[in-house]
Amino acid sequence: NAGVTQTPKFRVLKTGQSMTLLCAQDMNHEYMYWYRQDPGMGLRLIHYSVGEGTTAKGEVPDGYNVSRLKKQNFLLGLESAAPSQTSVYFCASSPAVEKLFFGSGTQLSVL
Amino acid sequence: SQKIEQNSEALNIQEGKTATLTCNYTNYSPAYLQWYRQDPGRGPVFLLLIRENEKEKRKERLKVTFDTTLKQSLFHITASQPADSATYLCALEDTGNQFYFGTGTSLTVIP
Repeated sequence: NAGVTQTPKFRVLKTGQSMTLLCAQDMNHEYMYWYRQDPGMGLRLIHYSVGEGTTAKGEVPDGYNVSRLKKQNFLLGLESAAPSQTSVYFCASSPAVEKLFFGSGTQLSVL
Repeated sequence: SQKIEQNSEALNIQEGKTATLTCNYTNYSPAYLQWYRQDPGRGPVFLLLIRENEKEKRKERLKVTFDTTLKQSLFHITASQPADSATYLCALEDTGNQFYFGTGTSLTVIP
């Protein structure tokens, strides 16, 4: 049982480039989340999904887009990366909104 | 504005003692509160959940209290061990389906 898998684990981008982070879960969870974690800021919610085909904005959605075309996958896109998006990104899933299962994170640097 | 505040300083304690971490929140009305553990370079791992109508919850050496009047949760680790050294995060669920995290408290247990 792999749980929550994030790819890639590390990425370096130049300002203005685009990329997609993939989150896959094999636990049949309805809810999925994208967070970013910055020193001194804690985990901040970017976007989330309560089921296949649905997405919603969190605390810090600007500059990001998401899609949940399949229940097991939640994609986070950066259309035009900025240095302020340098962060560690975590995906999480939940069966019933009472407990989050996190992936191991993606370290993204935008130069 | 909404805030979740944890011990602002790192916490160092001697092995065998009880570690007590605090989580204070404002402008939330959570139905429950969670605690997670995060090790360096890893995603958070769920530890305990306590509901608004529960005063106390225990799991092995862990104990959590939840005071909705004070808007505070305390997290205790009894008989602490060096392996308990990690960052501990509290999280609240608010307005349905969204989890908000504190900045975390770094705990070091000294042998």
